Amino acid sequence: DAEITQSPRHKITETGRQVTLACHQTWNHNNMFWYRQDLGHGLRLIHYSYGVHDTNKGEVSDGYSVSRSNTEDLPLTLESAASSQTSVYFCASAKDGNQPQHFGDGTRLSIL
Amino acid sequence: RKEVEQDPGPFNVPEGATVAFNCTYSNSASQSFFWYRQDCRKEPKLLMSVYSSGNEDGRFTAQLNRASQYISLLIRDSKLSDSATYLCVVTLSGSARQLTFGSGTQLTVLP
Repeated sequence: DAEITQSPRHKITETGRQVTLACHQTWNHNNMFWYRQDLGHGLRLIHYSYGVHDTNKGEVSDGYSVSRSNTEDLPLTLESAASSQTSVYFCASAKDGNQPQHFGDGTRLSIL
Repeated sequence: RKEVEQDPGPFNVPEGATVAFNCTYSNSASQSFFWYRQDCRKEPKLLMSVYSSGNEDGRFTAQLNRASQYISLLIRDSKLSDSATYLCVVTLSGSARQLTFGSGTQLTVLP
């Protein structure tokens, strides 16, 4: 069955380190998204991509970057991790414009 | 004003009860509407899309009122397994492929 997977599921790291979270989907969806979710906030969009080599900033993009070299993967990189980036991160994908998004299991990231 | 607003709850209802959630959105040109459920910080999962004519899926009924810019979700005959956070989700005009999430309404169904 087609699916979307995130790795790692949990990660602890130190401030200042570079961290990359992986997202891989096998639905051949063009649209992929990264969100973070914190207590007291809904899901907030970090970056998104509408296809290979396309990337766009979301609501809370500062300190994050993404790249889209193929249809299946959209890795999220924290260039220099900060404690404020401790959160649960969700990746999602969708077939096209108005279709619902399907989410990965999430990555719990703690930055000490 | 938030783009998508929900009553955060919590709603605590007994098993078998009927419960309704409302959600309002600020952009009148919003295109698509969904209800997701999320269990205890797990990933959000699509519950149902919301169509202009209203739609029903078993015990769940979703309705859209474009004139008043609100969406509703009705759950009949609540089950313990319905306990979750329900997220109202809207795609906004001009960015049709981006979803905007409400903060969620927490439901606990009590035995």
